[in-house]
Amino acid sequence: GENVEQHPSTLSVQEGDSAVIKCTYSDSASNYFPWYKQELGKRPQLIIDIRSNVGEKKDQRIAVTLNKTAKHFSLHITETQPEDSAVYFCAASDSGGGADGLTFGKGTHLIIQP
Amino acid sequence: KAGVTQTPRYLIKTRGQQVTLSCSPISGHRSVSWYQQTPGQGLQFLFEYFSETQRNKGNFPGRFSGRQFSNSRSEMNVSTLELGDSALYLCASSPTMRGPETQYFGPGTRLLVL
Repeated sequence: GENVEQHPSTLSVQEGDSAVIKCTYSDSASNYFPWYKQELGKRPQLIIDIRSNVGEKKDQRIAVTLNKTAKHFSLHITETQPEDSAVYFCAASDSGGGADGLTFGKGTHLIIQP
Repeated sequence: KAGVTQTPRYLIKTRGQQVTLSCSPISGHRSVSWYQQTPGQGLQFLFEYFSETQRNKGNFPGRFSGRQFSNSRSEMNVSTLELGDSALYLCASSPTMRGPETQYFGPGTRLLVL
């Protein structure tokens, strides 16, 4: 099955700086890569996703890049703000429609220092 | 549209008991997936249902089971509870099974096994 590794487990950045979280996956058949943000005591919320036919996607301060050859994808957050503090999860899906479910990384605790 | 709802939100059980958790997907969504979230193991896929059929199952023992009704609502059951079953149980819904799709999470049911 799929295996997703996520680094770092904790990331502390100054407000206004950029944050980068990296994930690698093992199954070359994976074709969907979402990122979820989970605030304390709340549900995971999708913040951005990318499909295997695209190399990069941006949404305001958030961007995701995908390198299919190397089997890794990254989340980039620019101009970080206090409300960006949360746990971020990457995930990969190796079949259409989620039949095999999402395989998640262990999460990155992002701390924005004022 | 109303989001994914789960009941109950909190539950305390003792070892050996069984428990049933409920999930109502977003209106029109036909796929429901279940995940277990623990501090040690992170988010792990339990199973996925579409049109009342279990399409796939994660690596969990047979004590974990589920079903889906004709209105797409889903239940999961855990029998003979163990201390290690204490976790946040999340369900997620998506519109169909065709192609990789966004999964929308519910608030979760926090289960404590004593």
